[in-house]
Amino acid sequence: QLQLQESGPGLVKPSGTLSLTCAVSGDSINNGDWWSWVRQPPGRGLEWIGEIFHSGTTNYNPSLKSRVNISVDKSKNQFSLTLSSVTAADTAFYYCAKDSGPNPGVWGQGVLVTVSS
Amino acid sequence: QTVVTQEPSFSVTPGGTVALTCGLSSGSVSSDYYPSWYQQTPGQAPRTLIYNTNTRSSGVPHRFSGSILGNKAALIITGAQADDESDYYCVLFMGNGISMFGGGTKLTVL
Repeated sequence: QLQLQESGPGLVKPSGTLSLTCAVSGDSINNGDWWSWVRQPPGRGLEWIGEIFHSGTTNYNPSLKSRVNISVDKSKNQFSLTLSSVTAADTAFYYCAKDSGPNPGVWGQGVLVTVSS
Repeated sequence: QTVVTQEPSFSVTPGGTVALTCGLSSGSVSSDYYPSWYQQTPGQAPRTLIYNTNTRSSGVPHRFSGSILGNKAALIITGAQADDESDYYCVLFMGNGISMFGGGTKLTVL
């Protein structure tokens, strides 16, 4: 059964870089699907961040593109998110997902990242 | 910039039928946007109900269905139950590899 698990620091300082990893189990990241990141500020709606294919091809939300990088580590069956120059507005629950069709399908449980000094 | 629109709130009586919609601030939604629908309860990750317009995810009850109604995507709940009270989000594939979420609908069952 496919499972995704996000991990990373829960607290990041302003102007720093947020880094998260999504470990995939029960499926191979090489299977030809896309893998996404989505975030949700507490009490607010969902925002699509971007996605990656096993080849390393990426697509990003234009509003975040200048600060976002998504990468894949096939040897560890995981993919990662980095977001630079963070501010309090980047405080959110961050979810990784395997796409169903072109949109997120199977979700991880999410991790809260707070940006604060 | 085009925005994905959803009703902020909706209510349905137990046993009733409701259609939540997902539109565009400019233009019409078709199956070419591959709409997906998600249910989220407080403190939980989203759960995928429908993808590719009308394909039900594994384990999703048959009372949830998806379609295109007029110029919008729709999530239809037939025979609403108390535990359907949740936030519902849609997402559209905008092309060029970009997806965009709607603002969500808070559904009340009363």
